[in-house]
Amino acid sequence: DAGVTQSPTHLIKTRGQQVTLRCSPKSGHDTVSWYQQALGQGPQFIFQYYEEEERQRGNFPDRFSGHQFPNYSSELNVNALLLGDSALYLCASSSFGGARELFFGEGSRLTVL
Amino acid sequence: KQEVTQIPAALSVPEGENLVLNCSFTDSAIYNLQWFRQDPGKGLTSLLLIQSSQREQTSGRLNASLDKSSGRSTLYIAASQPGDSATYLCAVRPPETSGSRLTFGEGTQLTVNP
Repeated sequence: DAGVTQSPTHLIKTRGQQVTLRCSPKSGHDTVSWYQQALGQGPQFIFQYYEEEERQRGNFPDRFSGHQFPNYSSELNVNALLLGDSALYLCASSSFGGARELFFGEGSRLTVL
Repeated sequence: KQEVTQIPAALSVPEGENLVLNCSFTDSAIYNLQWFRQDPGKGLTSLLLIQSSQREQTSGRLNASLDKSSGRSTLYIAASQPGDSATYLCAVRPPETSGSRLTFGEGTQLTVNP
């Protein structure tokens, strides 16, 4: 049973560029959330997708956007990258009903130079 | 606004010791609480999930308790091993009507010395 998979694992961008990160949820899960984790900090909620719609959003600017596809996979897009966007980006999946336990992927490490 | 605090921030113990990690939260209206483990540069591994109606959950050498009214949870690790070295994070989920975002603490970095 495949868990949550994310790609790419590492990437380096320069200020002002755009980046797209991808996530495939755990089998049987229909809800995807994205979190940003700065070094030494706990993860911060970016947004959540369910039924291909953004359902909830954290305190992140509009430069952060996302998408969910019919197969429940998801993308996180960040435009006009800033140095402060350097972080580990974590994708989590869950099922809409039930215990609501979250399962996380290994993350995508973004470095902005 | 929910805030989650974990104490201590770092802990170093000799192998074999039993230990307790603490997590406190300011708003007792939660749906559940989840403990995670994170190895350096890696993602989060779910350890235990406690629903708001439960008092504790156990998995192997791990036991997590929840006192919702006082806003506290503890993670007990029995007979610690060097392989337990990692950062441990707790996170709370609000009631269903308030959405599903998790609020995390900053973690406790555990080192178990052989």
